[in-house]
Amino acid sequence: KAGVTQTPRYLIKTRGQQVTLSCSPISGHRSVSWYQQTPGQGLQFLFEYFSETQRNKGNFPGRFSGRQFSNSRSEMNVSTLELGDSALYLCASSLGLGGETQYFGPGTRLLVL
Amino acid sequence: GENVEQHPSTLSVQEGDSAVIKCTYSDSASNYFPWYKQELGKRPQLIIDIRSNVGEKKDQRIAVTLNKTAKHFSLHITETQPEDSAVYFCAAYGPTYDKVIFGPGTSLSVIP
Repeated sequence: KAGVTQTPRYLIKTRGQQVTLSCSPISGHRSVSWYQQTPGQGLQFLFEYFSETQRNKGNFPGRFSGRQFSNSRSEMNVSTLELGDSALYLCASSLGLGGETQYFGPGTRLLVL
Repeated sequence: GENVEQHPSTLSVQEGDSAVIKCTYSDSASNYFPWYKQELGKRPQLIIDIRSNVGEKKDQRIAVTLNKTAKHFSLHITETQPEDSAVYFCAAYGPTYDKVIFGPGTSLSVIP
């Protein structure tokens, strides 16, 4: 099976712009979670989607949003970008909920100038 | 709020020695504790996990122990090899798996 894929892999934006990142889970996986990874804050949970519904959300401002499509692919959007949004954004998929093994994608590295 | 502490932040061991990384969590209701390994420039990968109804789990050279009373769990790597060099993250999930908190990570270097 193909692994989790994320596009784009690298992105450069300027403050105030918005960005959309995409994640395609492993075939058959219905849960997709998003994480932000920075040197200072480590790995932080953004949100989790299951069957097109946001099930959980971390402590991030409303500028961070996401959605999941019927084929389980997921997108996350960040509006009004700030310098502090520069990070590696990782998505992970799992078969379902309940602490099942998560498989991470390679991440999208976002740089905000 | 809930948090997960992880120690040490960096660890250097000689090849063949053992390495131990400890995580302490604050939410006593946490019940699932995975460990991830992230090599430089690569994605995190699950290496072992443990649930709250188990005290210890082992997979070849890797083991995890859980002390629910003290609210800490540890990763043990025996007979370390240079390819074990990576950043290791622990995590703690809430009782309904509705939230996860990661530890800050431990950078492990295995010296040949």
